[in-house]
Amino acid sequence: GENVEQHPSTLSVQEGDSAVIKCTYSDSASNYFPWYKQELGKGPQLIIDIRSNVGEKKDQRIAVTLNKTAKHFSLHITETQPEDSAVYFCAASPYNTDKLIFGTGTRLQVFP
Amino acid sequence: EAQVTQNPRYLITVTGKKLTVTCSQNMNHEYMSWYRQDPGLGLRQIYYSMNVEVTDKGDVPEGYKVSRKEKRNFPLILESPSPNQTSLYFCASSFGSEQPQHFGDGTRLSIL
Repeated sequence: GENVEQHPSTLSVQEGDSAVIKCTYSDSASNYFPWYKQELGKGPQLIIDIRSNVGEKKDQRIAVTLNKTAKHFSLHITETQPEDSAVYFCAASPYNTDKLIFGTGTRLQVFP
Repeated sequence: EAQVTQNPRYLITVTGKKLTVTCSQNMNHEYMSWYRQDPGLGLRQIYYSMNVEVTDKGDVPEGYKVSRKEKRNFPLILESPSPNQTSLYFCASSFGSEQPQHFGDGTRLSIL
């Protein structure tokens, strides 16, 4: 079945710097790749998603890139702010299933 | 306000005592899902439902049951809870399996 690996597990950056989180997936036919942000005591919240027919997608300071050949996708956060501190999860939807497989999460800390 | 509501938010109980965690959404979503979150393991899908009376197993269904008698409700049932089911549980809903999921705020279960 689908397996999603996420790195790093923790990431500390200075305010204003960029942060990059990477995920790899195993099912080459996976089609949908969302990213979720989880703040303390809350449920995850979608921040951006990308489908397999697109290589890159941006939303203000957040971007996601997808490399289908290498089977990996990355979350890029520019000009980080303290409120970006949270746990981030990537996920992939395997082909011909209605499941969603999550990575193990990255704890991002942005220091002022 | 669009939301996914889980109850209870916290529960401490004993091995073998049947319990139900309720989940309700007010967004007319077809797809609903249950996840458990454990340290180092990320979010793992327990069961999901594509629509009323349609449910299917996720990656970790053992020891759990679900039902989908109405579109808005998707209860998670632990018939005979065991300590290895101590975890943080999230319910989510969306318009489809490859659409943004809206998560509840979680239910923390402790099985002694």
